[in-house]
Order: sequence, then structure tokens, then C-alpha cells
Amino acid sequence: AQSVSQHNHHVILSEAASLELGCNYSYGGTVNLFWYVQYPGQHLQLLLKYFSGDPLVKGIKGFEAEFIKSKFSFNLRKPSVQWSDTAEYFCAVNAFPTDSWGKLQFGAGTQVVVTP
Amino acid sequence: ETGVTQTPRHLVMGMTNKKSLKCEQHLGHNAMYWYKQSAKKPLELMFVYNFKEQTENNSVPSRFSPECPNSSHLFLHLHTLQPEDSALYLCASSQDGQGDEQYFGPGTRLTVT
Repeated sequence: AQSVSQHNHHVILSEAASLELGCNYSYGGTVNLFWYVQYPGQHLQLLLKYFSGDPLVKGIKGFEAEFIKSKFSFNLRKPSVQWSDTAEYFCAVNAFPTDSWGKLQFGAGTQVVVTP
Repeated sequence: ETGVTQTPRHLVMGMTNKKSLKCEQHLGHNAMYWYKQSAKKPLELMFVYNFKEQTENNSVPSRFSPECPNSSHLFLHLHTLQPEDSALYLCASSQDGQGDEQYFGPGTRLTVT
């Protein structure tokens, strides 16, 4: 069965530090890839997505992610984090045509805490 | 605000109660979803509706019963739940359900006593 793995469950870092969150998936076919973020007390919202084209995608709030097909990875990065980036981050994958219509597989999430 | 609203935001119910969760989307989308979010576990997809038709039931126990009267509204009817059903229940919608971006509501925090 297809799975989505996020390598770190908790990350603590200081403001201005660089952030990289790992995401690997197990499906070898065509995939749509997403990173969602959930700020404390708020709803899940999309950070960025990859469907096709340039494997380096840029999202909101200075985040970017790189799709490396050979490594089945879609890692999220931000060069310099802020305290407001404290949140839980989720990687999600839709595999075509294995996954039924609209089905997203989510990773377990990474809780990121940015200290002042 | 994502255009997806959920009510109630918090619900406490006994194991013998019957209650319903409501989701409404104001985005003109055609696909709607129910997810369960439990602590330290990945989001679990429960149900998918496309154009009011159920296209996915992810082996959800029958004590959860979805209803989608139109493309804008989605309900989750609950009866004889178990304490392990306590979780955050999230509703989402997307334009056409073909693996595209989903917009999430704020969730209903359910506690089963």
C-alpha cells in the first residue's frame, strides 16, 4: 500500500535558522504533491503544491519544495524561519491512477517550534 | 477563512447519543471530504463525495453515516460512538476531486464520553 513518510515528528529551531522537512512517498507512478500547514488553533491550509513542470515549487510565506522523482521525495524548505512559522506541517500525496478520485494520503505531520 | 465552515466546533456526546456534524462550502466546489484527525496519527480520509455521489468509503464503521444532499453541504451522522472515536473531524472541498487542492474547514472537536 502506498505510504507517506515524514522523517521528523518534532523540530525545534531558533528564529533565522534554516528549515528543511523531509517527505518521502512509496508510489512510483504519477503523483500530485502537497504541503499543508496548520497553525495553532487554525485550519489546515495549503503551503504549496506540485503537479508537473519545474520540480522546484515556491509557495506562500517564503516556503519552497523540491520534487526529486528518483528519490520519491518532496522536501520542504525555508531559508530563514520566523516565530510565526510555529505550526504543524503535513505532506500529502495523490497518486494517479491508483488513488481514487480526490484521495489524498497524508503523512503524520511534523510539529515545528520556532523559538525567539 | 477558507470558505468551508463546520458546525459545531466542539461536541461532547455520550456513547448512546445521536448527533450530526455539518459542513458547508461556499466555493462552488464539486467534491467534499470527511477526515478524522487523531493525535500523533496521519489524517485519515473517511468519505469522499463527488457531485453528491459517494465515491470513497475508507472502511469506516457504520456508526458514522455521511449524507450529501447537494454539492455545498455535507453531514456526518453519529450514533453509538466509542471513546476512541474522539478526535478532530475535518471537512474539506475541492473543485473537481481529481487530486487537486483541498480547502479545509476548522474542524469539529468531538469528545465521546
